[in-house]
Amino acid sequence: KAGVTQTPRYLIKTRGQQVTLSCSPISGHRSVSWYQQTPGQGLQFLFEYFSETQRNKGNFPGRFSGRQFSNSRSEMNVSTLELGDSALYLCASSLGLAGGLVNTQYFGPGTRLTVL
Amino acid sequence: AQTVTQSQPEMSVQEAETVTLSCTYDTSESDYYLFWYKQPPSRQMILVIRQEAYKQQNATENRFSVNFQKAAKSFSLKISDSQLGDAAMYFCAYIGGGADGLTFGKGTHLIIQP
Repeated sequence: KAGVTQTPRYLIKTRGQQVTLSCSPISGHRSVSWYQQTPGQGLQFLFEYFSETQRNKGNFPGRFSGRQFSNSRSEMNVSTLELGDSALYLCASSLGLAGGLVNTQYFGPGTRLTVL
Repeated sequence: AQTVTQSQPEMSVQEAETVTLSCTYDTSESDYYLFWYKQPPSRQMILVIRQEAYKQQNATENRFSVNFQKAAKSFSLKISDSQLGDAAMYFCAYIGGGADGLTFGKGTHLIIQP
């Protein structure tokens, strides 16, 4: 079974621009979660999508948004980029069922975003 | 809010030796799950081992095992017969039954000395 894939793997943008990152989950997984990883803040939860609906949300400004399509693929968008948005963005997929280790999250390779 | 603490920023161990990575967490929930993930230089986050809070038996996966002390809110990872390929950042992670997303510790950088 193919793993979680993320595109692109690397991105360079300038301040004020917007960016869209894509994540394709493991086949059969309906939940996609996004995380931001920075040297200073570590790994932080952004949001989770399940069945095309945002189910959970972390503590990030509204510039960070996402969506999920009917095939469970998800996109994350960051508008009006700031220098501090430079990070590794990881997505993870899971079955998304209620409770249990069946909801273990499996991660993609990440997208490295650099904001200049 | 839940917190996860990894008190060892870096650990070093000789190849073939055993090493234990520490993790403590704070939660008021009774239903939760704990994980150890490994992140090698490639930055791919790889699941190492997982534990359900309601299970008293410690999880094991080949050379990896945990010591889960629920009352102490401790979840340490033991790696036996360390191999060069074990060198990576190791993250302890928590998720509650309500599944608000994984809460990660700051990580422990594990160095394997040949």
